[in-house]
Amino acid sequence: EAGVVQSPRYKIIEKKQPVAFWCNPISGHNTLYWYRQNLGQGPELLIRYENEEAVDDSQLPKDRFSAERLKGVDSTLKIQPAELGDSAVYLCASSPRDGQGTQYFGPGTRLLVL
Amino acid sequence: AQKITQTQPGMFVQEKEAVTLDCTYDTSDQSYGLFWYKQPSSGEMIFLIYQGSYDEQNATEGRYSLNFQKARKSANLVISASQLGDSAMYFCAMRVSGGSYIPTFGRGTSLIVHP
Repeated sequence: EAGVVQSPRYKIIEKKQPVAFWCNPISGHNTLYWYRQNLGQGPELLIRYENEEAVDDSQLPKDRFSAERLKGVDSTLKIQPAELGDSAVYLCASSPRDGQGTQYFGPGTRLLVL
Repeated sequence: AQKITQTQPGMFVQEKEAVTLDCTYDTSDQSYGLFWYKQPSSGEMIFLIYQGSYDEQNATEGRYSLNFQKARKSANLVISASQLGDSAMYFCAMRVSGGSYIPTFGRGTSLIVHP
């Protein structure tokens, strides 16, 4: 069974530029999570999807961050414009349904904003 | 609000020895789940073990066991017979079952296994 797929693995951009991350969850997993992990910290949830519906997006900085999961499968997280403080690892995870069960994580995207 | 505390920034253990990584949690909810993840330098979070708040037995998965002490609100991870490949960051996490499913992670413990 394929795991959670994320791309790109690494991204370096200049501040004020836009950036997008893509995630494909494990087949059949209805719940998808986006996390941000700053250096030396644990992951912090940005947004959780149940199928195509976004729930638990209270920690998503909506002025510059947006996310979508149009068909309830893969998802895109966008930052526009990026700031220096956005440098972090962006992790995607999925779980079978309804926010229950174990989350399985992808390899993450390491973002560096210069 | 939920909180996870991992007080050990770093731990060292000799190969083949056992090691305990500490985790305490705080929640007012009665139904919750506790997780441990391993994060090697490659960055991927690898699920290790899960303990439900109503589980009477401590969870075990191969060389990993979770020492769950509900009254003390602790969920320590025990790794037996450490291997060099166990060197990584280890994160304790919690998710309550009612209301919001927002998981909470600790700051992690860096484990180094030396020969």
